[in-house]
Amino acid sequence: GENVEQHPSTLSVQEGDSAVIKCTYSDSASNYFPWYKQELGKRPQLIIDIRSNVGEKKDQRIAVTLNKTAKHFSLHITETQPEDSAVYFCAAMDSSYKLIFGSGTRLLVRP
Amino acid sequence: DAGVIQSPRHEVTEMGQEVTLRCKPISGHDYLFWYRQTMMRGLELLIYFNNNVPIDDSGMPEDRFSAKMPNASFSTLKIQPSEPRDSAVYFCASSPTGNEAFFGQGTRLTVV
Repeated sequence: GENVEQHPSTLSVQEGDSAVIKCTYSDSASNYFPWYKQELGKRPQLIIDIRSNVGEKKDQRIAVTLNKTAKHFSLHITETQPEDSAVYFCAAMDSSYKLIFGSGTRLLVRP
Repeated sequence: DAGVIQSPRHEVTEMGQEVTLRCKPISGHDYLFWYRQTMMRGLELLIYFNNNVPIDDSGMPEDRFSAKMPNASFSTLKIQPSEPRDSAVYFCASSPTGNEAFFGQGTRLTVV
């Protein structure tokens, strides 16, 4: 079955710097890759997603890239702000629509 | 739509008791997922349903765990008997086929 690995587990950046979180997946049939943000005590919420027929997608300060050959995808946050501090999860959905999450990255943006 | 609704929000129970968690998915979503979240293991997929039918329950940790979806608007996750190591936040999520999964607010379970 699908296995998603995520790195780093924690990331601390200065406000205004960029943050990059990387994930790899194992099932080449996976075709949908969402990213979720979870603030303390709240539910995970989608921030951006990408499908396997697209290499890159951008939405304001966040972007996601996908390399199907290498089976890895990354989240990029530019001009980080303190409110970006949260836990970020990558996920992969396989051909049977099973959604598997990575282990999460705790991002801290220092003012 | 009010989103995915879970109940209760918090549950404290004694070891050995039966616990039932409830979920109402978003109307029209044909997939429903149950996840368990802990610090150590992150977001683990326990089981998921398509059109009320269980598709994959390989993530259910033990026979003490069971899940049902009697109709398109209701699902339950039951733990019997409960143990302290079951303490976690349990999330239900629903999605239309192949798209964004929307999460409920979760049930924080504490087994003492």
